[in-house]
Amino acid sequence: DGGITQSPKYLFRKEGQNVTLSCEQNLNHDAMYWYRQDPGQGLRLIYYSQIVNDFQKGDIAEGYSVSREKKESFPLTVTSAQKNPTAFYLCASSILGQVVEIADTQYFGPGTRLTVL
Amino acid sequence: AQKVTQAQTEISVVEKEDVTLDCVYETRDTTYYLFWYKQPPSGELVFLIRRNSFDEQNEISGRYSWNFQKSTSSFNFTITASQVVDSAVYFCALSVTGNQFYFGTGTSLTVIP
Repeated sequence: DGGITQSPKYLFRKEGQNVTLSCEQNLNHDAMYWYRQDPGQGLRLIYYSQIVNDFQKGDIAEGYSVSREKKESFPLTVTSAQKNPTAFYLCASSILGQVVEIADTQYFGPGTRLTVL
Repeated sequence: AQKVTQAQTEISVVEKEDVTLDCVYETRDTTYYLFWYKQPPSGELVFLIRRNSFDEQNEISGRYSWNFQKSTSSFNFTITASQVVDSAVYFCALSVTGNQFYFGTGTSLTVIP
């Protein structure tokens, strides 16, 4: 089945540690995205990538890093510089918009819930 | 600047009632997409509908219907004869030039049996 997988589903981190969240898609989508969701809030964009080896910062990129070495994979690293990393992280992918530069429908993975101990 | 407002934070209805979730958007772009997503307790966002700015025709899909009105910058979502399985958080989103989505803060819907 085609879709987006995220692992792990739950992740616990000690303060000062870096952790990497996995996101894989087999939809052959060009664009991939990482969002953060805090309780009772909407989604905030962390990073996005439209092609391999290229990515752009979103609204809250500080304390996070990403890589896009393969079209199917877009891992997110939460570094120790992120002061309040406890949140729900969602990965999404989409085709590039058929109308120039307008993001097409994003499809989401099941999410990773990160807790800092 | 782009913005999506979902003024209803939480709504509770009794099963079989109809419910409308409001979405108001702001953009100066003339070409854009509007979306609705459902987030059940499991957490994954499920895509429901996409509308482009040139298509104001209302859409119906089973018990779901959407009313897009450019004159009021609104894209409202109605669930007819609500069911317990409709309980979720619903997000409205806007996509404009720049390949970014702008999400509202969501409306939490509880359907009481």
